[in-house]
Amino acid sequence: DIQMTQSPSSVAASVGDRVTITCRASQDIGSWLAWYQQHQGGAPKLLIFAASTLESGVSSRFTGSGSGTVFTLTINSLQPEDFATYYCQQANSFFSLTFGGGTKVEMK
Amino acid sequence: QVQLQQWGAGLLKPSETLSLTCAVYGWSFSGYYWSWIRQPPGKGLECIGEINHSGSTSYNPSLESRVTISVDMSKNQFSLKMNSVTAADTAVYYCARYCIDSCWGAFDIWGQGTMVTVSS
Repeated sequence: DIQMTQSPSSVAASVGDRVTITCRASQDIGSWLAWYQQHQGGAPKLLIFAASTLESGVSSRFTGSGSGTVFTLTINSLQPEDFATYYCQQANSFFSLTFGGGTKVEMK
Repeated sequence: QVQLQQWGAGLLKPSETLSLTCAVYGWSFSGYYWSWIRQPPGKGLECIGEINHSGSTSYNPSLESRVTISVDMSKNQFSLKMNSVTAADTAVYYCARYCIDSCWGAFDIWGQGTMVTVSS
């Protein structure tokens, strides 16, 4: 299985801050990476696919970048609704999909 | 608008069979895979398996011996059965649409989740 490692596991930030989350794959996955946002008690929501393509309806505050084994999710000008847990997911192996361990964005 | 609505028993005893169903509204089954994903309390997400409209399935190897995913095209529903459950299977279970082509292998639509607790 491809292992996905996210860092940091948690980050404390304030409204208006820029937050960057990193996801590392244990092998080259090209651009087969998605990012999700999950609020406490809710289902995950797709933010970005193909490493950098914003899902329809998602705020342009969210940007994804990277390819190969290192990827980043950046949240520009953090808003109150952005406090949540974020997960990356690789899709290089179509039927052996794995998620990162998650990054919790908390209020400072 | 595509929506997934899921249901099933939320409290099981060890060794019983978990059974969940997910109904797809606003879209036909064709063209996508349909998945089950779970999340133990306070932990991350784990893929259980997928199925397409023709019944072709793929399962997480660590769960394959206990899991069956099936589809009922007449009702636009798909289901998960997991036998011989233990406390380690306690989790929120989600159904989701697995979008291989147009969204590069992402899960773009999710059900609301069902909390399943295994306890004697």
